[in-house]
Amino acid sequence: DTGVSQDPRHKITKRGQNVTFRCDPISEHNRLYWYRQTLGQGPEFLTYFQNEAQLEKSRLLSDRFSAERPKGSFSTLEIQRTEQGDSAMYLCASSLGREGDEQFFGPGTRLTVL
Amino acid sequence: GESVGLHLPTLSVQEGDNSIINCAYSNSASDYFIWYKQESGKGPQFIIDIRSNMDKRQGQRVTVLLNKTVKHLSLQIAATQPGDSAVYFCAEKYSSASKIIFGSGTRLSIRP
Repeated sequence: DTGVSQDPRHKITKRGQNVTFRCDPISEHNRLYWYRQTLGQGPEFLTYFQNEAQLEKSRLLSDRFSAERPKGSFSTLEIQRTEQGDSAMYLCASSLGREGDEQFFGPGTRLTVL
Repeated sequence: GESVGLHLPTLSVQEGDNSIINCAYSNSASDYFIWYKQESGKGPQFIIDIRSNMDKRQGQRVTVLLNKTVKHLSLQIAATQPGDSAVYFCAEKYSSASKIIFGSGTRLSIRP
């Protein structure tokens, strides 16, 4: 257990529905990251926050995706109008925010879109 | 472009032997190279990293070697144990950016 928690661990939804995932980082960590991992592939970066500010977004993050970190602690990732191609593991990671420091990953939320 | 790749998708090793997992990269601008271990149902777990100005770094039972001439990275695991069974990812990170770029992974299996 790295100290990063994610909820839910699994989510099955029908195409077109909206889903929201939550990540609770390690408490003293300033940076929070979201990645997406499909079967047999390495994680792909989606976005990251420094405290409550969203500083970078990947081109993978279409306009159906939105992430927030309102108080600089937990974060949510929402996917609107889900598509079957959104099926993946969504991973959250956090770090202290120093240059080069280690990112600690949560267990992920596995999304299945039917 | 950015690219981190792995030579083999699977590796089978006898318990007690040493394991060597290889990785090729293409971007010379990366400042850190990192190895992660991912067990089934879990997120990636940091194993060891190495800065681009280093050739070798050792941890507990693991050694990472970096050959910048041929853009090659390797992870050596000494005395492989059943608990080492997992998918191993090499990854790279720029000191001026926060995202990690992962390769596609090598599955390590241990024969008893």
